[in-house]
Amino acid sequence: SQTIHQWPATLVQPVGSPLSLECTVEGTSNPNLYWYRQAAGRGLQLLFYSVGIGQISSEVPQNLSASRPQDRQFILSSKKLLLSDSGFYLCAWSTGTGYGYTFGSGTRLTVV
Amino acid sequence: SQKIEQNSEALNIQEGKTATLTCNYTNYSPAYLQWYRQDPGRGPVFLLLIRENEKEKRKERLKVTFDTTLKQSLFHITASQPADSATYLCAPSGTYKYIFGTGTRLKVLA
Repeated sequence: SQTIHQWPATLVQPVGSPLSLECTVEGTSNPNLYWYRQAAGRGLQLLFYSVGIGQISSEVPQNLSASRPQDRQFILSSKKLLLSDSGFYLCAWSTGTGYGYTFGSGTRLTVV
Repeated sequence: SQKIEQNSEALNIQEGKTATLTCNYTNYSPAYLQWYRQDPGRGPVFLLLIRENEKEKRKERLKVTFDTTLKQSLFHITASQPADSATYLCAPSGTYKYIFGTGTRLKVLA
């Protein structure tokens, strides 16, 4: 069966520090991968998505970046965090168009 | 631009009643629409997907309708239980990237 792993679960980082969040999927190949952010009391904001290894599409211009070094690995990064980067970060995967997402358990990031 | 509207106010209903949640969208024509459940501090969980050529879809106590003329989907939970209390998100889409509504918080009172 397919599983998605996302870590860490919580993270407190100072302003200006770097960030690396990792997401891996098991039990499937060539998944579509996604990074979403959810601010407190707000909806899900699509940040990045990837339909293949090495391919990244950005939805929101900001100081975040994403990479897909392997087929089932998706990494969200920042060189210098801002206070506004605080939020709940969710990784998700799907098999393609017309299929539901499976979300990871999320990372609660607090930038102080 | 694409816009999705879900009732931002919480919906409180009595246990055993049918809960009906609404999702309206504008400025695009999705080929399908999905509903998710999200509990506090957790990632959303996929519930149902309905395609544009399907008027209604059911799964156990859940029923979803999709009216492409009205640009609206209704999500029903019959015989509601306190365990159904959560935030429900809709995501109309025509591609592999999904835009989510802000969700409606449902509280089922015992």
